[in-house]
Amino acid sequence: EPEVTQTPSHQVTQMGQEVILRCVPISNHLYFYWYRQILGQKVEFLVSFYNNEISEKSEIFDDQFSVERPDGSNFTLKIRSTKLEDSAMYFCASSAGPPGTGELFFGEGSRLTVL
Amino acid sequence: GENVEQHPSTLSVQEGDSAVIKCTYSDSASNYFPWYKQELGKGPQLIIDIRSNVGEKKDQRIAVTLNKTAKHFSLHITETQPEDSAVYFCAETSGNYQLIWGAGTKLIIKP
Repeated sequence: EPEVTQTPSHQVTQMGQEVILRCVPISNHLYFYWYRQILGQKVEFLVSFYNNEISEKSEIFDDQFSVERPDGSNFTLKIRSTKLEDSAMYFCASSAGPPGTGELFFGEGSRLTVL
Repeated sequence: GENVEQHPSTLSVQEGDSAVIKCTYSDSASNYFPWYKQELGKGPQLIIDIRSNVGEKKDQRIAVTLNKTAKHFSLHITETQPEDSAVYFCAETSGNYQLIWGAGTKLIIKP
């Protein structure tokens, strides 16, 4: 069964460093997303990406964040100058159609720990 | 702004009993209401969804009901089993916009 894969599963970084989280969405999907979940809390939307551009982003997704689809298969989230409060689980998701038309398929997540 | 209230935050039921989780929303234009299950250490997974033109949908032991007038929808799990233990999230959207998520309900199935 096709699945969304994410790497790394866990990354530890020093405050102020840059991190890149990687995702391989399901191959025939067109819509890609990044979500964040601080331990024990709700799932928070960060950004959606369609047709090689950001289609929607939340207030959380400020200039510290960026996304890219560099090669037609990978979908990356870059976090610049990490802060302690960026520590969270980051989930990538993909869907065949727009968000309100069907299932979002989530990866297993990348846990980011900022020290 | 748009908001989804989810209750309870934690629900503990005896194995074999039923569990009900409720969500209310504020956007009258909302027309798609999915429920996601998140097991420990994993990403959320869709378990059932309903659209605004339907009042109820059932899939084996899981059912979702929607009351558009009152702006609330509920997840019903019957004959609960240990593998039902997880965090459940409701969500809603009015179309091509992003899902608005509830805060989650931790369901504990007691043996």
